[in-house]
Amino acid sequence: DTGVSQDPRHKITKRGQNVTFRCDPISEHNRLYWYRQTLGQGPEFLTYFQNEAQLEKSRLLSDRFSAERPKGSFSTLEIQRTEQGDSAMYLCASSLTTGREQYFGPGTRLTVT
Amino acid sequence: DQQVKQNSPSLSVQEGRISILNCDYTNSMFDYFLWYKKYPAEGPTFLISISSIKDKNEDGRFTVFLNKSAKHLSLHIVPSQPGDSAVYFCAASYNKGSDDYKLSFGAGTTVTVRA
Repeated sequence: DTGVSQDPRHKITKRGQNVTFRCDPISEHNRLYWYRQTLGQGPEFLTYFQNEAQLEKSRLLSDRFSAERPKGSFSTLEIQRTEQGDSAMYLCASSLTTGREQYFGPGTRLTVT
Repeated sequence: DQQVKQNSPSLSVQEGRISILNCDYTNSMFDYFLWYKKYPAEGPTFLISISSIKDKNEDGRFTVFLNKSAKHLSLHIVPSQPGDSAVYFCAASYNKGSDDYKLSFGAGTTVTVRA
C-alpha cells in the first residue's frame, strides 16, 4: 500500500514564472485536498476534490492558482506568475469518502526568488 | 481567523515521562478532532483522532482527551521516547452538509524528548 506521493519535492523558481505540482493520492481514496503551510504555521486549506469535481476553494486560492483532477486520480496545482509570498510548503492529502482521517504526502517546498 | 489554537509552541520532556500537548478550539460546530505528527521535510502523519461523541480515545502510548464544554483537547504520550521528538499539530473538522471534511489546524507544538 503506497502512500500519497508528490512531485517535485522541491522547486525553486524566479518571480513571475509558472509552476505546476503533482499529487498522486492513495489509490482507493476518492477525496483529495490541497493545503499550504508557511513557516511556524499549521497547514491551511486551499481546495478539495471529490473524484474529479472541485467542490470547494479557499479565499487563499487567488486567480493565479488553479487545480485539476482530470480523471479523478492524480491532481495538479498550478501557480501562475509566482510571487515571493507564494513561497511555502504545498501539501496534498487524500481520504476515503466516508473517512474523516486525511493522509498527507511529503509536500512540495516552493521557493520563489 | 484561527479556530484551532495550540498555545504552547514548544515542550521539552525527559525520556520515559509523560508528554501532554494541549489544543483549544473556538468553532462549536467541530465534531471530529485529529492529531498529526510532523518530522522536518516530511508531510504530517496521522496519529490519533476522536469524535465529539467520545471524551477519550486511546491507541498504544497515545491518548486523546476531549472536553467539549471547555472546547479543549489534549494528547498524552506515555512513555515519551526519543523518536517522539517532532512537531505535533492539532486539527479539527466538521460536516458542512456536503461531506466536506476540510481540516483546520493549530500552529503546532514542537516536542523535544531528552535522553
